[in-house]
Amino acid sequence: SQQGEEDPQALSIQEGENATMNCSYKTSINNLQWYRQNSGRGLVHLILIRSNEREKHSGRLRVTLDTSKKSSSLLITASRAADTASYFCAPGPQGGSEKLVFGKGTKLTVNP
Amino acid sequence: GAVVSQHPSWVICKSGTSVKIECRSLDFQATTMFWYRQFPKQSLMLMATSNEGSKATYEQGVEKDKFLINHASLTLSTLTVTSAHPEDSSFYICSASSFGGSSYNSPLHFGNGTRLTVT
Repeated sequence: SQQGEEDPQALSIQEGENATMNCSYKTSINNLQWYRQNSGRGLVHLILIRSNEREKHSGRLRVTLDTSKKSSSLLITASRAADTASYFCAPGPQGGSEKLVFGKGTKLTVNP
Repeated sequence: GAVVSQHPSWVICKSGTSVKIECRSLDFQATTMFWYRQFPKQSLMLMATSNEGSKATYEQGVEKDKFLINHASLTLSTLTVTSAHPEDSSFYICSASSFGGSSYNSPLHFGNGTRLTVT
């Protein structure tokens, strides 16, 4: 399995602004998932995008995937203080495995 | 749906004792569960893959005799930290997929973690 690398490592914005986080990976994938982790808690699945999809929306979340560049981005629109958390991407490798390996994540702080 | 319950949420134990952490899938069957540990302000490190009815598969560098994993049923996996030492203090998180076998386009559902402190 491979891990994604999130960028930036930390991001601080004001409430109402948009937050964009990026993810890069190295080898071919079957899908890519984004997760959120609130401090001291487990991860929560946000969205899964398959390798044949380019963009996916879920509420205020927009995920893009560029397999030619081996990269993905997560956009949170109209951010809220409650969006403060760490965000992780997890590439799902081709060849079959449910095992996910996580990078260091992006620590997002939304200031009220 | 797809709730994973992890217990206890925190535990303090003395050096040399063993601690058992339970991970249950409440409303689905999980043929495979995963155990992670996380140090402060760091990423999750995959420790092992737990398969129902068979031995766990450990990641490189993880001591299988120290971190005993048992997956006795489709809804329960346990992690036992044996002869715990202060360096084992960490945040342990389990996860499970609500789809087993050949479906790889499925999310993982995580427990809320167990904060272990070894004194």
